[in-house]
Amino acid sequence: DAGVTQSPTHLIKTRGQQVTLRCSPKSGHDTVSWYQQALGQGPQFIFQYYEEEERQRGNFPDRFSGHQFPNYSSELNVNALLLGDSALYLCASSSYPLDTQYFGPGTRLTVL
Amino acid sequence: EDKVVQSPLSLVVHEGDTVTLNCSYEVTNFRSLLWYKQEKKAPTFLFMLTSSGIEKKSGRLSSILDKKELFSILNITATQTGDSAVYLCAVGAGGTSYGKLTFGQGTILTVHP
Repeated sequence: DAGVTQSPTHLIKTRGQQVTLRCSPKSGHDTVSWYQQALGQGPQFIFQYYEEEERQRGNFPDRFSGHQFPNYSSELNVNALLLGDSALYLCASSSYPLDTQYFGPGTRLTVL
Repeated sequence: EDKVVQSPLSLVVHEGDTVTLNCSYEVTNFRSLLWYKQEKKAPTFLFMLTSSGIEKKSGRLSSILDKKELFSILNITATQTGDSAVYLCAVGAGGTSYGKLTFGQGTILTVHP
């Protein structure tokens, strides 16, 4: 049973560029959530997608946007990258309406 | 604003010791409390608690929730070097915040041989 997968593993970008991160949920899950984890901190909720719509959003600017596809996979897009966007981006999947979220290995984004 | 605080922030023990990790929370419309273990990248799910006073147990790990005092503890008995990790506590809320997990900053556990 495949768990949550994310791509790419690592990414290096420069300020002002745009980035797209991808996530495939665990088999049987229909909900995808995205989190940003800065070094030494707990993950911070960015947003959650269910039925191809953004259902919840955390305190992140509009530069952060997402999408969910009919096969439940998801993308996170970040525009106009800032140095402070450097972090581990985690995707988590779950099965509505259950609370347990299962995490992928993350994408390490470095902004230079 | 929802808040989760973990203590201690870090802990160093020797193999065989027993440790207790703490998590307190202030959340509007509480639904659940979850514990995760993070070794390299992906947080791994350990427990989800929704009811007060009912202990969840898995091997050497156990956890309990107190909804009156708004805290949870995670116990690890007979620690092993493989238990070294960051332990994260998260709270799930209902209502308008349904689906969002709010995490604490984590407790770094180091187990020496």
